[in-house]
Amino acid sequence: DARVTQTPRHKVTEMGQEVTMRCQPILGHNTVFWYRQTMMQGLELLAYFRNRAPLDDSGMPKDRFSAEMPDATLATLKIQPSEPRDSAVYFCASGLVSGGLYNEQFFGPGTRLTVL
Amino acid sequence: AQSVTQPDIHITVSEGASLELRCNYSYGATPYLFWYVQSPGQGLQLLLKYFSGDTLVQGIKGFEAEFKRSQSSFNLRKPSVHWSDAAEYFCAVGFNTNAGKSTFGDGTTLTVKP
Repeated sequence: DARVTQTPRHKVTEMGQEVTMRCQPILGHNTVFWYRQTMMQGLELLAYFRNRAPLDDSGMPKDRFSAEMPDATLATLKIQPSEPRDSAVYFCASGLVSGGLYNEQFFGPGTRLTVL
Repeated sequence: AQSVTQPDIHITVSEGASLELRCNYSYGATPYLFWYVQSPGQGLQLLLKYFSGDTLVQGIKGFEAEFKRSQSSFNLRKPSVHWSDAAEYFCAVGFNTNAGKSTFGDGTTLTVKP
């Protein structure tokens, strides 16, 4: 049963600390998305990658957020330094886009981040 | 710009009653349409999708949705709601120009009364 995995599932940290969230996309998927979900803003797209290359990271605060795909099995989202307003649930999703064919996204269970 | 509207923030139905959740999108091109469900503390799960062909699509858990091009709508329906259907529902729209990215609606929270 292929699924997207995310670690950690929960993270509590203090303001100013670095936070790293990890995602393992479904094997064979070539597109990876990072979302942030809050009560106030709903689901926001932060960044996404195709074949490990960033396609769009316009949704991310550039000064503190960074997203990378060191290899095809790992995507990371880092926040440095973290702020209380970063408290949210961060979702990773993966999908397969091939030959112009669009497809659905498969979501991970999320990382619930609390910044004190 | 592309947009997705879910007009109902919150809907309450009685168990066994029928359900319809509304979704409208704005864009001129042919869309790819999705409905996802999110249970508390979990990620989003795909209920159904429409790419082409028959405009009435069947999904998991007894849900169906109908694409109406003239109304730019993709409403989700279920004939008889179960208590376990209580969750948040998201409509999403994608286009070929989006390189695989979907635009999500703000979601509709469904409460099921016993």
